[in-house]
Amino acid sequence: ETGVTQSPTHLIKTRGQQVTLRCSSQSGHNTVSWYQQALGQGPQFIFQYYREEENGRGNFPPRFSGLQFPNYSSELNVNALELDDSALYLCASSLRATGRVYGYTFGSGTRLTVV
Amino acid sequence: AQRVTQPEKLLSVFKGAPVELKCNYSYSGSPELFWYVQYSRQRLQLLLRHISRESIKGFTADLNKGETSFHLKKPFAQEEDSAMYYCALSGLGGTSYGKLTFGQGTILTVHP
Repeated sequence: ETGVTQSPTHLIKTRGQQVTLRCSSQSGHNTVSWYQQALGQGPQFIFQYYREEENGRGNFPPRFSGLQFPNYSSELNVNALELDDSALYLCASSLRATGRVYGYTFGSGTRLTVV
Repeated sequence: AQRVTQPEKLLSVFKGAPVELKCNYSYSGSPELFWYVQYSRQRLQLLLRHISRESIKGFTADLNKGETSFHLKKPFAQEEDSAMYYCALSGLGGTSYGKLTFGQGTILTVHP
């Protein structure tokens, strides 16, 4: 059984650029969530994907968007990067079944630095 | 709105001493509560969730709906318990379903 893997591990971008972060879900999981963790803060929910559709969104602007693919892997895209977007981005996968969520598992994250 | 508060940013105890990490929450409905732990240079991992009512690594947490608290306790702390601990909440329906709201975290240091 493989865990959640994220790529790349580190990334440096310039303000105004666009970035794509990738996540492979744990085997058997059908739901992916993305979180932003600023330095010294707890993770903040960005959005969740279930059955390839966005299913819940946190307080983040539309320039944060995502995709979930048929194999349950996912991408997080951020357009028009701002300095405040510098953070650790975490992906978490889980299994939604019979009205409950099981096995919420986090990846190691992608450290994004915007300069 | 759902919110999780961990009032202590830092907590230091000596090995063998009892430890309690505090967590208070606000949520209009029946939430699901979790504790996550992050050891140095490792990923965030689930320590326990209240519905399972199990003890992991000697830690327990009781959901107190009257006080809206979910404090994490261990009777005898070990040096290997030193880590960052996050309390988190998830709603059980609607747009809160599966969405975790985290507290700010508490850094626990257990001294020898």
